[in-house]
Amino acid sequence: DIVMTQSPDSLAVSLGERATINCKSSQSVLYSSNNKNSLAWYQQKPGQPPKLLIYWASTRESGVPDRFSGSGSGTDFTLTISSLQAEDVAVYYCQQYYSSPFTFGPGTKVDIK
Amino acid sequence: EVQLVESGGDLVQPGGSLRLSCAASGFTFSSYAMSWVRQAPGKGLAWVSVISGSGGTTYLADSVKGRFTISRDNSKNTLYLQTNSLRAEDTAVYYCARGSGATNTALDYWGQGTLVTVSP
Repeated sequence: DIVMTQSPDSLAVSLGERATINCKSSQSVLYSSNNKNSLAWYQQKPGQPPKLLIYWASTRESGVPDRFSGSGSGTDFTLTISSLQAEDVAVYYCQQYYSSPFTFGPGTKVDIK
Repeated sequence: EVQLVESGGDLVQPGGSLRLSCAASGFTFSSYAMSWVRQAPGKGLAWVSVISGSGGTTYLADSVKGRFTISRDNSKNTLYLQTNSLRAEDTAVYYCARGSGATNTALDYWGQGTLVTVSP
């Protein structure tokens, strides 16, 4: 099974500042048939289901603000919120969909400093 | 508008069974793989199972293999999760989520979830 880890566990960032979340997979999730990384990022606010933000490691889902961006390849990935807004307070999860079981990372909680 | 509505969650004793359902609307159901993801109280997300659009391909997490079965009825636009031999550690909110055509894709729409509580 591919194990997903995230760092930090939590972070507090001032409004308008940058937030960076890291995700690491225990093996490469690069899908050879399209040369894309099978890595997604989700945002979950309290009492709500998760929401897809980013797929193929760097493709923003329709309607997601452009302050959210994803990067990385192979085993190391990053979600960046370029200018944190109050509505971005949430837990963020990465997930690999390269091979079953399609494991999630443990989550990173983002708060306002 | 894509909608996914789960139902069937309940309080059940250890060793019991439940069938969870997910009614889908707003898209061509048979064209999309569908997944179940669960979240224990206060914990993170845990992937449970996926089924291809045709129903011909399924995968299950090791923690539920032999106890849970995923299925779908494309004529009813409904996804199911049959849960047997339930344990306390199966207590969670169970979400259904839509993938794309293949089983290995990101999950772009999620339901609100249904709560399964396993307790004496």
